[in-house]
Amino acid sequence: GAVVSQHPSWVICKSGTSVKIECRSLDFQATTMFWYRQFPKQSLMLMATSNEGSKATYEQGVEKDKFLINHASLTLSTLTVTSAHPEDSSFYICSARPRYMGNQPQHFGDGTRLSIL
Amino acid sequence: QKEVEQNSGPLSVPEGAIASLNCTYSDRGSQSFFWYRQYSGKSPELIMSIYSNGDKEDGRFTAQLNKASQYVSLLIRDSQPSDSATYLCAVYPNQAGTALIFGKGTTLSVSS
Repeated sequence: GAVVSQHPSWVICKSGTSVKIECRSLDFQATTMFWYRQFPKQSLMLMATSNEGSKATYEQGVEKDKFLINHASLTLSTLTVTSAHPEDSSFYICSARPRYMGNQPQHFGDGTRLSIL
Repeated sequence: QKEVEQNSGPLSVPEGAIASLNCTYSDRGSQSFFWYRQYSGKSPELIMSIYSNGDKEDGRFTAQLNKASQYVSLLIRDSQPSDSATYLCAVYPNQAGTALIFGKGTTLSVSS
């Protein structure tokens, strides 16, 4: 149980393109989902907390107009990297926490490797 | 600023040995603690949860929690080369709905 599906797993695109990444909780409902970014050999960095039916909460230093987050249902959150540039190339990982499950752990998707040329 | 501290390593152990990974946290009100394993280029994978003081065993893994000392550890018995990875300690802060706070991870290398 507690499977999180993330799609696509790999994206290569030209600078200036917008890229959408989907995160789905397959067998549980998730009121809250989280988006992380990880550069090579560095630690996970929380970008934003996505709440179903409301605006996302962004961490300090993360541009909300560049990283658009939508959490339209209890099983789906999307991250759109708008007008992506090479410095946005990174490993993006979503995570979900089961609804009504108190202190249950976050479960992670397999990640999306984004390469901007 | 709530923090989770881990020794970055690398921690090198021979195959078959016990690997001991340690973590301290700053939020005394934290109640939930987790260990994740992350292989290079992959996303984190949950391996242990612990919520009360003492030891919790699952196969070759034992998590230990001491809330008074604000200390969490993970022991890996009979270490295998396939255990070579980065181990992330994670703690829920004492604030509902917030994300796990992760340590920077300890890199474990098991040599055959």
